[in-house]
Amino acid sequence: EAGVAQSPRYKIIEKRQSVAFWCNPISGHATLYWYQQILGQGPKLLIQFQNNGVVDDSQLPKDRFSAERLKGVDSTLKIQPAKLEDSAVYLCASSLVPGTDGGSQREYEQYFGPGTRLTVT
Amino acid sequence: AQKITQTQPGMFVQEKEAVTLDCTYDTSDPSYGLFWYKQPSSGEMIFLIYQGSYDQQNATEGRYSLNFQKARKSANLVISASQLGDSAMYFCAMRGYGQNFVFGPGTRLSVLP
Repeated sequence: EAGVAQSPRYKIIEKRQSVAFWCNPISGHATLYWYQQILGQGPKLLIQFQNNGVVDDSQLPKDRFSAERLKGVDSTLKIQPAKLEDSAVYLCASSLVPGTDGGSQREYEQYFGPGTRLTVT
Repeated sequence: AQKITQTQPGMFVQEKEAVTLDCTYDTSDPSYGLFWYKQPSSGEMIFLIYQGSYDQQNATEGRYSLNFQKARKSANLVISASQLGDSAMYFCAMRGYGQNFVFGPGTRLSVLP
């Protein structure tokens, strides 16, 4: 079974430029997550999709970040314009079942991609 | 609100010895799941072990076991017979009913030869 794919793996941009990240989840996984992981911290959820609908985007800085999941499969996360504090690793994860209607089922386990390391200079 | 606390920024352990990584959590949900992930320098998050709040027994997965003390709200990870390849960041995470994943700040484990 192929894992979660992300590209690019690394990106360096100047502040005020725009950037886009791509994620392809595990086949059949209904739920897709984007996390931001700043160096030395744990991942922070930015947005969660169930199929092609947004379930939670409460921590997404909507003035500069946007995300979409067309056709309920691939997803893109965009930053425009980038700021220095956006330097982080952006992780994509997917899970088989929706992740908001129960807390004790292992089926909600998330599978992570390798991440995209963004450096804003 | 959910919160995960990992009080050990860094830990050292001698190869072949056991090590315990601490995790405490805070939630008002009666039903929740606790997870441990390993993140090597390559960056990918690797699932290690899961404990459900209603599970009667502590979870075990090979060399990993979870010391679950519900009343104390702790879910410590025990790694037995440490290997050099265990050197990595370790994150404790939880997800409650109707909530999303919350991760702790992580503990960096270094295994010494």
